[in-house]
Parts: sequence; structure tokens; C-alpha cells
Amino acid sequence: GAVVSQHPSWVICKSGTSVKIECRSLDFQATTMFWYRQFPKQSLMLMATSNEGSKATYEQGVEKDKFLINHASLTLSTLTVTSAHPEDSSFYICSARDRVAGGETQYFGPGTRLLVL
Amino acid sequence: AQRVTQPEKLLSVFKGAPVELKCNYSYSGSPELFWYVQYSRQRLQLLLRHISRESIKGFTADLNKGETSFHLKKPFAQEEDSAMYYCALRGSSGNTPLVFGKGTRLSVIA
Repeated sequence: GAVVSQHPSWVICKSGTSVKIECRSLDFQATTMFWYRQFPKQSLMLMATSNEGSKATYEQGVEKDKFLINHASLTLSTLTVTSAHPEDSSFYICSARDRVAGGETQYFGPGTRLLVL
Repeated sequence: AQRVTQPEKLLSVFKGAPVELKCNYSYSGSPELFWYVQYSRQRLQLLLRHISRESIKGFTADLNKGETSFHLKKPFAQEEDSAMYYCALRGSSGNTPLVFGKGTRLSVIA
């Protein structure tokens, strides 16, 4: 089956630094990738939709200058949390839609846990 | 606006008992409904979708447009069913993302 990987799986950083999270579709091409955020014991909240070769579409309330998304190829999307602060600590999950399969199914990465000190 | 409501945060049942995880949705058009499951320390994975009308691991879900519900059911719960279950909705038009409910944790007691 289709696999989505994320790197790193967890990261601890100091307040004010920037953190980049990679999301890769390993055995399929993804025209669209989604970035979600999950706080403890809460549901996944969509942050942005990323289409290959174009600007990401951010959900209301998500700062695009803080959460930079780049989808440079059909197999890679990156999320950069700029000038991270403790309130950005969360679980970030990416998801990719298989272009060939008709986009019916979203496959999820294992998530990246970010802790900002 | 799209909204998915899962009224129960936690559902505990005994092994062999029937299970019903509730999901209600709000959407102005014709949505696609899904159930995703997350086992302990694993990633989110698709359990079933309404368009397939399939039974996966003994689970079924029927879309009731009149009641705007998509409840997940299983006649006899197993211990390995213990997990977090998320109901999700996707609009039928364009390249729209999944919108998730808050999830229900199912605990099956031996």
C-alpha cells in the first residue's frame, strides 16, 4: 500500500528557532498534500492544503508566514515552523493523496512531535 | 460549513458486545464520509468509506442522509478493536481535504 513518511519523527528546539518537517510519499505521486495539527486528546485540525508547484492554501486562523509550506515535487512537501514558540508545540501530521488512484484516499504520515522549550 | 460531530469521547464495551460509534455531520452538499482508525502508537489509517459499502474487520457504517449520520457498528467487539476512531467528511467538489471529528476512544474490556 501507499506509504507516507515524515522526518523527523520528533524534535525539540529552543524558542525562536525554525524547524523544518519533511513529508514524502514513498511509492506514489501526490499532487496534493495536507498538513494537520493535533493537540493532546484532540482531533486533527487542518492547517493547509498544498498543491505541487503552487502556493499552499491556509485554513482560517493559520498564519502563513509562521507555517511555511513548500511542495516542490510530487513526492515531497515541507512545513517550516518559523520562530517557534512553546505554543507551537504539537503533533504535526501530513497526508497525501495518490494522483494515480484518483485521489480517493488520503494516506497519513506517522506524525512529527514538536516540543519548543 | 463542514462539521463532524462525535458525541462520545470514550466508549467502553465488553468483549463480544455490540459496538456503535456515533457520527453526525453537517454539510450543504453531498459529502463523502469516512471512518479512520488509529491504533496505539500507529499512524492514522482508513477503516472504511461510505461509497464502498464494505465491511472491514467486521465494522460497517451506513450513511443516513435524513439523519445526517454515519455511525460505525460492529456486532461483536474484539479486544484488538481498542483504538481511537475518527469520523471524517470530505466535500464532493474539487480537491477538498478531510475534515475530522474529535474522535472516540473505544476500549474493549476482556
